[in-house]
Amino acid sequence: QQQVKQSPQSLIVQKGGISIINCAYENTAFDYFPWYQQFPGKGPALLIAIRPDVSEKKEGRFTISFNKSAKQFSLHIMDSQPGDSATYFCAASRRTGANNLFFGTGTRLTVIP
Amino acid sequence: DTAVSQTPKYLVTQMGNDKSIKCEQNLGHDTMYWYKQDSKKFLKIMFSYNNKELIINETVPNRFSPKSPDKAHLNLHINSLELGDSAVYFCASSQEGKTHGYTFGSGTRLTVV
Repeated sequence: QQQVKQSPQSLIVQKGGISIINCAYENTAFDYFPWYQQFPGKGPALLIAIRPDVSEKKEGRFTISFNKSAKQFSLHIMDSQPGDSATYFCAASRRTGANNLFFGTGTRLTVIP
Repeated sequence: DTAVSQTPKYLVTQMGNDKSIKCEQNLGHDTMYWYKQDSKKFLKIMFSYNNKELIINETVPNRFSPKSPDKAHLNLHINSLELGDSAVYFCASSQEGKTHGYTFGSGTRLTVV
């Protein structure tokens, strides 16, 4: 069963535009929500992460918005650049017990110059 | 200096063979993982090891076996390889209690012919 649902599967954005990727989860025990960025031929790399005690976290052009009641979180990429073209994965894990990361299905982002 | 390194990067082998993929991390993390990424980019955890003890064992075929000689290494052994085993395998590590962020290796592309 998919623990974390992610959409869209693919996304095409013009340079300078805003890219938005959405994720939803069911397990209320999850308390850590990272986003990973993966370039072709490389492993996923941690991009930004949030805990459920805040509703938003911003790092440069990347922002996570978190809605605890709706069990949803999203990644916003402002002023998208061609270099942002990659596959993005949301994920979730819980603090206690095995901190196993459950990944979303990934979003392939293409930023057109 | 590479944090999580996997070898080999590419592995092409015939059905029925036995192969191993090696993973080493120099981050001092106490937990290591193996993930499988299929052709649709979906990342699924296979195993994790914490202090030489298997703490998660997902429903993978018993042809797959993790072996950890010490906490800096987690190797993946695969017996009787099948066509469906073709995928990219990622090793990752994390430190429980300090951060839930995983550091991934660059992956091993396994092709079974």
